[in-house]
Amino acid sequence: NAGVMQNPRHLVRRRGQEARLRCSPMKGHSHVYWYRQLPEEGLKFMVYLQKENIIDESGMPKERFSAEFPKEGPSILRIQQVVRGDSAAYFCASSPGQGLDSGANVLTFGAGSRLTVL
Amino acid sequence: AQSVTQPDIHITVSEGASLELRCNYSYGATPYLFWYVQSPGQGLQLLLKYFSGDTLVQGIKGFEAEFKRSQSSFNLRKPSVHWSDAAEYFCAVGATGTASKLTFGTGTRLQVTL
Repeated sequence: NAGVMQNPRHLVRRRGQEARLRCSPMKGHSHVYWYRQLPEEGLKFMVYLQKENIIDESGMPKERFSAEFPKEGPSILRIQQVVRGDSAAYFCASSPGQGLDSGANVLTFGAGSRLTVL
Repeated sequence: AQSVTQPDIHITVSEGASLELRCNYSYGATPYLFWYVQSPGQGLQLLLKYFSGDTLVQGIKGFEAEFKRSQSSFNLRKPSVHWSDAAEYFCAVGATGTASKLTFGTGTRLQVTL
């Protein structure tokens, strides 16, 4: 049973280019979360999605960032016109359901995608 | 809104010594509390979690943590550290009745000397 799969693991982009990060949740998980980890900082929540729906995007920068989780295929975090400040590790996590009140809905994290903007 | 403070940015211990990593949280109700470990270049692995009940929780790799409501703390402990425990440790808090969205502390980097 594969865990949360993220690719690419490492991505290098020049300023102004686009970055696309992909996340396939664990089998049976329909809830996906994206977090960003800036150097020397903890993880910061960005967005929470279910299939075809963005549930909570309160942590997403207002411009250049978007996320989707289509009916088929992985979740994608898209960063347009990247800048050096976007250099970070982007982690995806998934859970089988919503709400920590059920002990089963603990997040499982992927290994992350490390974006470097030159 | 909830928040997490990990006051120690970096800790060094000798192999075989005991370990305690501090975590303080701020949340208006009983929180859900987690410790995750991140090895270099890797993702986060769940060490243990507290949801309710016994305030001393056991995790993987010999780790345990104790929830102390009066101190708003959830410190991580291990009686004897191994060199392979060198990693970054994150404490996180989740809220009741919402999605499984977690708020993380800034992490404590553990170095183990031989």
